[in-house]
Amino acid sequence: GAVVSQHPSWVICKSGTSVKIECRSLDFQATTMFWYRQFPKQSLMLMATSNEGSKATYEQGVEKDKFLINHASLTLSTLTVTSAHPEDSSFYICSASKRESTDTQYFGPGTRLTVL
Amino acid sequence: AQKITQTQPGMFVQEKEAVTLDCTYDTSDPSYGLFWYKQPSSGEMIFLIYQGSYDQQNATEGRYSLNFQKARKSANLVISASQLGDSAMYFCAMREPGTSGSRLTFGEGTQLTVNP
Repeated sequence: GAVVSQHPSWVICKSGTSVKIECRSLDFQATTMFWYRQFPKQSLMLMATSNEGSKATYEQGVEKDKFLINHASLTLSTLTVTSAHPEDSSFYICSASKRESTDTQYFGPGTRLTVL
Repeated sequence: AQKITQTQPGMFVQEKEAVTLDCTYDTSDPSYGLFWYKQPSSGEMIFLIYQGSYDQQNATEGRYSLNFQKARKSANLVISASQLGDSAMYFCAMREPGTSGSRLTFGEGTQLTVNP
């Protein structure tokens, strides 16, 4: 199997607070994990790529200090939205590639963030 | 820069009929991979089918087949015998060649509605 989980599935927070989203590969080791952002009725936009044990690679226009990514193990990556604002409200999806095969990304169920 | 184009924002099909969702891509690299994902209203991204640029035959997975026309740079998804549960957003994606971890670029998506 290739199951990826995300926690929480949804979160509501006040403006100015920080929110941490976890992404776990449950039955495989993930060499690389990806974080995407999706606005309603739009496509997925890659935010960053993270490899276990190294710093994440952020896409152009994505603020590194605002979206902190940590990939501490082969099964866990976290995305922390720091000092969240209403414009950060979005659907955040992670995906993971298996160590032995880098061709297919397996996606988590997503996290819906609402910042009040 | 590579690009994925899905020209059909919305498609309708009668239950039990076949439907084709269009996808064209643009890349100058000879080695690439093409993916189709399904995203139901719940938000999760479900992997459907994969086609490698060097694959000789069109990929098939159950009711899903990929009509790969390399010269035209198209990778259309064909869903046979549509079911009500096929109603969802469908995304075509291309793996960026030469990069580790299978970085994907997504098209804008096609909203498929299956009518009873």
